[in-house]
Amino acid sequence: DGGITQSPKYLFRKEGQNVTLSCEQNLNHDAMYWYRQDPGQGLRLIYYSQIVNDFQKGDIAEGYSVSREKKESFPLTVTSAQKNPTAFYLCASSKRAGPVEQYFGPGTRLTVT
Amino acid sequence: DAKTTQPTSMDCAEGRAANLPCNHSTISGNEYVYWYRQIHSQGPQYIIHGLKNNETNEMASLIITEDRKSSTLILPHATLRDTAVYYCIVRVDRGSTLGRLYFGRGTQLTVWP
Repeated sequence: DGGITQSPKYLFRKEGQNVTLSCEQNLNHDAMYWYRQDPGQGLRLIYYSQIVNDFQKGDIAEGYSVSREKKESFPLTVTSAQKNPTAFYLCASSKRAGPVEQYFGPGTRLTVT
Repeated sequence: DAKTTQPTSMDCAEGRAANLPCNHSTISGNEYVYWYRQIHSQGPQYIIHGLKNNETNEMASLIITEDRKSSTLILPHATLRDTAVYYCIVRVDRGSTLGRLYFGRGTQLTVWP
């Protein structure tokens, strides 16, 4: 089955630890995205990548880092510099960056205490 | 990107048509209207998008007014599984905003039996 996988579904970390969220797609899509969602809110863009080895900051990139070494993978690291990291994180991909639909993964719920 | 305004919540009887409105009075000529929905604790799902003309697919119809200042998403025969938050997004694809979606709070649609 083609799709986007995110793992794990739930993740718990202690404050001060870096944590990396996985995102893999087998749709052969060029563009990939990371969003953050807080309770009762819409999604906010963290980082996006239009092509391998290239990525751009979104609206709330501070405290996060990404890499895009392979077309199918776009891991997100939540660093200790992120002031309020507890949230629902969603990864998405699209064939290209443009007026096309984005396909979303199931999300990872990160809790930092 | 143009701001959108949606009602916070709506409800609909199962089997009836659900009509979800969206105002985007500041939309520009090259901005697309997108609709996504999100079932609780899952990733958003693309529904439909359009520029000027009305659009229909297997999930829904999108009606855009002639002046493009508002649109309506129509689910012709709502089922309980259509209960979700529906997001109306207006997006232009140019330059640094390529591929970016700006999600608001959406409309919580509840379908009741």
